[in-house]
Amino acid sequence: DGGITQSPKYLFRKEGQNVTLSCEQNLNHDAMYWYRQDPGQGLRLIYYSQIVNDFQKGDIAEGYSVSREKKESFPLTVTSAQKNPTAFYLCASSSAGDSNQPQHFGDGTRLSIL
Amino acid sequence: GENVEQHPSTLSVQEGDSAVIKCTYSDSASNYFPWYKQELGKRPQLIIDIRSNVGEKKDQRIAVTLNKTAKHFSLHITETQPEDSAVYFCAASKGGYQKVTFGTGTKLQVIP
Repeated sequence: DGGITQSPKYLFRKEGQNVTLSCEQNLNHDAMYWYRQDPGQGLRLIYYSQIVNDFQKGDIAEGYSVSREKKESFPLTVTSAQKNPTAFYLCASSSAGDSNQPQHFGDGTRLSIL
Repeated sequence: GENVEQHPSTLSVQEGDSAVIKCTYSDSASNYFPWYKQELGKRPQLIIDIRSNVGEKKDQRIAVTLNKTAKHFSLHITETQPEDSAVYFCAASKGGYQKVTFGTGTKLQVIP
């Protein structure tokens, strides 16, 4: 989906370092999501946001933080508290409202530890 | 919270055969069930979805069935082709702004 842009494509983190993954969408979607993907474990929800200036923890929020200052942007910070950050991170967005709508995904960011 | 189980984790079929992937969900309030296809190193993409007021939906070679009583839904791919090889994820949600819970994925290999 060209409407969701994640950057960078690859990211390396040093010990004790915080890193921020960018996610921008031009689909005018209200809801945005961050998932972590590990081999054989599917997609696990880290955080999600239904509206600007509001967000909720997902199933594996520990060691991560987010902000939602603008409708089109939902950056994810992987903090030094996240001891096993190596994974593929996917951002998604959806329009919701009265009817169920599918999520649209970005191309992902692959994070590795140096 | 919602729990989605998906089986099998891997599936190999001969080209032209059918493939079936099954999912069960735990929350009877879930009412939206999308299926995503993820090719290696790429983003998941929606291939078909079904809402709880419908028992079956078909789109060319792909169909999804939903049994609300048993709380399970299945993806059926007929006349499989090598380009169908990918990881398939089922998901369930209560709709609106509610979060989506994904299954663990099925790696489908279509052997030419």
